[in-house]
Amino acid sequence: DTEVTQTPKHLVMGMTNKKSLKCEQHMGHRAMYWYKQKAKKPPELMFVYSYEKLSINESVPSRFSPECPNSSLLNLHLHALQPEDSALYLCASRGQEKFNIQYFGAGTRLSVL
Amino acid sequence: RKEVEQDPGPFNVPEGATVAFNCTYSNSASQSFFWYRQDCRKEPKLLMSVYSSGNEDGRFTAQLNRASQYISLLIRDSKLSDSATYLCVVFQGSQGNLIFGKGTKLSVKP
Repeated sequence: DTEVTQTPKHLVMGMTNKKSLKCEQHMGHRAMYWYKQKAKKPPELMFVYSYEKLSINESVPSRFSPECPNSSLLNLHLHALQPEDSALYLCASRGQEKFNIQYFGAGTRLSVL
Repeated sequence: RKEVEQDPGPFNVPEGATVAFNCTYSNSASQSFFWYRQDCRKEPKLLMSVYSSGNEDGRFTAQLNRASQYISLLIRDSKLSDSATYLCVVFQGSQGNLIFGKGTKLSVKP
C-alpha cells in the first residue's frame, strides 16, 4: 500500500478564516513534505519534516504553519491567507528504501476568496 | 542555469507514434532520478525510476547518462491515455528533497 491520504479534497476559505489541511500515511515513512502547485507549474516545495522535525522551510510566509504530531500525520495550518495562495496543496512522503521515491497524496484544492 | 530543464513541449502526436522527452540536470551530486506523470488537476504519480543501466517498463524506456547529466524517456506506440504532463524529477540527498522540471505536456490524438 503506497497511499498518502489528504483531507479535505477541496477547501474554500475567506481571508480571515483559520483552517487546517491534513495528511496521513501508514507506510512507516519518516520524511514528509508539503508542496504548493499553481496551474501549469511544477510543485514547489514548502516544508520538509524528517523524523517529525522540521528540516526545511523554503521561506514560506508565516500564514502557513506546519505541524507533525506523529510519524504518520502532517498538518498545514492556514490563517489570514491571500487570494494568491489559492492552489493545489500536495503532501508527500518518502521512505529510506526504493531509491528515495516520494509518494504524493491527491492534494487539497484551496480557493481563498 | 535551471536545476532541472526539460523540453518545453507541448508534444502533439498521433496514436501509435513514438515520442521522446529529454531532461538535463545541473547538480552532479544528484542521487536518484525519476519520471512522474501528472494528469490535469491530479497529483503527480511515479511513472519510472531511472537507473544508470537504463530500464524499460512495457512501452516506456528511461535512460540516464550521468557524465552528460541527461535523462530521457521514450514512449512507444502512444495511447490516448498517455496524454498527460511528464515531469523530470531529481532527488538531491543533501537536502532530501525533489527538484522538479517544469514538465512537458503530451497530447496523443486519435
